Amino acid sequence: TQLLEQSPQFLSIQEGENLTVYCNSSSVFSSLQWYRQEPGEGPVLLVTVVTGGEVKKLKRLTFQFGDARKDSSLHITAAQPGDTGLYLCAGADDMRFGAGTRLTVKP
Amino acid sequence: EAGVAQSPRYKIIEKRQSVAFWCNPISGHATLYWYQQILGQGPKLLIQFQNNGVVDDSQLPKDRFSAERLKGVDSTLKIQPAKLEDSAVYLCASSRTGGHTGELFFGEGSRLTVL
Repeated sequence: TQLLEQSPQFLSIQEGENLTVYCNSSSVFSSLQWYRQEPGEGPVLLVTVVTGGEVKKLKRLTFQFGDARKDSSLHITAAQPGDTGLYLCAGADDMRFGAGTRLTVKP
Repeated sequence: EAGVAQSPRYKIIEKRQSVAFWCNPISGHATLYWYQQILGQGPKLLIQFQNNGVVDDSQLPKDRFSAERLKGVDSTLKIQPAKLEDSAVYLCASSRTGGHTGELFFGEGSRLTVL
């Protein structure tokens, strides 16, 4: 079992601020996925990162996969209230999730 | 394309009673997952099916939980008898390819409250 640790657990910021959340493990992953979950709904896939050192951009979201494929980060530029939600990472080898980072963006 | 369907959306039972949840995955998706999500936590994998075979059930509490996917399409998750700590949202997800770069599509979940 490949354990994923996410930090911070909670994050509350003002609209327009930048933020970074992290997903770390001692295990190597063939690929890693990021999902966002809103209240009362299931998680929705944001991105899959596959190659060590890979950087993927999705509008204001930038995802990075560590060179050693053990960790990943999600950076949001100029956060908006619509970014509020639970951000989850999952190892695609066994589809186990971390505990998530709960983000609140205040207008 | 229809999404993953789950029912019921909400269920309230007393401890020691039994409950069953149903999931119909996206058509053509061979892999089906059941997750348990306790309030404030990430989803915990309970069981993964590939067609009608079990791939991983290492985290399924087999003394009280059971799941089946008899014809390789829809699936049922049962809890008998329920405990207070089983209160959670039970999420079903399906994937075309089953892991690695395969995207998981989730249903809205079934929220269980055990009193």
